[in-house]
Amino acid sequence: GAGVSQSPSNKVTEKGKDVELRCDPISGHTALYWYRQSLGQGLEFLIYFQGNSAPDKSGLPSDRFSAERTGGSVSTLTIQRTQQEDSAVYLCASSRLGRLDSPLHFGNGTRLTVT
Amino acid sequence: AQKVTQAQTEISVVEKEDVTLDCVYETRDTTYYLFWYKQPPSGELVFLIRRNSFDEQNEISGRYSWNFQKSTSSFNFTITASQVVDSAVYFCALSPGNTGGFKTIFGAGTRLFVKA
Repeated sequence: GAGVSQSPSNKVTEKGKDVELRCDPISGHTALYWYRQSLGQGLEFLIYFQGNSAPDKSGLPSDRFSAERTGGSVSTLTIQRTQQEDSAVYLCASSRLGRLDSPLHFGNGTRLTVT
Repeated sequence: AQKVTQAQTEISVVEKEDVTLDCVYETRDTTYYLFWYKQPPSGELVFLIRRNSFDEQNEISGRYSWNFQKSTSSFNFTITASQVVDSAVYFCALSPGNTGGFKTIFGAGTRLFVKA
């Protein structure tokens, strides 16, 4: 497709289980970002990839969160031992050059509910 | 500190009214970029405009206009003759150019309701 694709669109999981969220960026976009949007809140930065490397992981809230990107394309965000406070919409975005003046192209997000 | 403040949580207007969404930012950087994004009810954020810190010229695009004032650290967004389709959450964002790493910092958003 032409846009950023995220899957699943919705995920309900039990507290303590692990979840994997997937992001397929726009073809040719070298930079990839993960953000988290909690109800009524702004977007919280999680991690940034340039190619396969992650020069900025400063937003990951705990060591239960990890992310990887392979082949400079698809990225997965993994949350281990999920907690109820992890419930949020997880947004992925990509940009062509990864420069600070490059606008971000967002996917529709994955709505995660931890019960 | 790098921060974006959108003090208006929700605004409700009647169609054809003009509305201004406020955005105030904080950064120590001399080079930075400001953005507005729109998040309609469908959920996908859409880029509207970018401004760099060296360009204070205001911009108009159809019914949308943006007022960037460095003296007050503000980057306000005005919709003229609002329409129902403008109903969305609008986010102001800041990309610091020197010390902020690679992240774009978003405000909490302003939810705009336009009633017919």
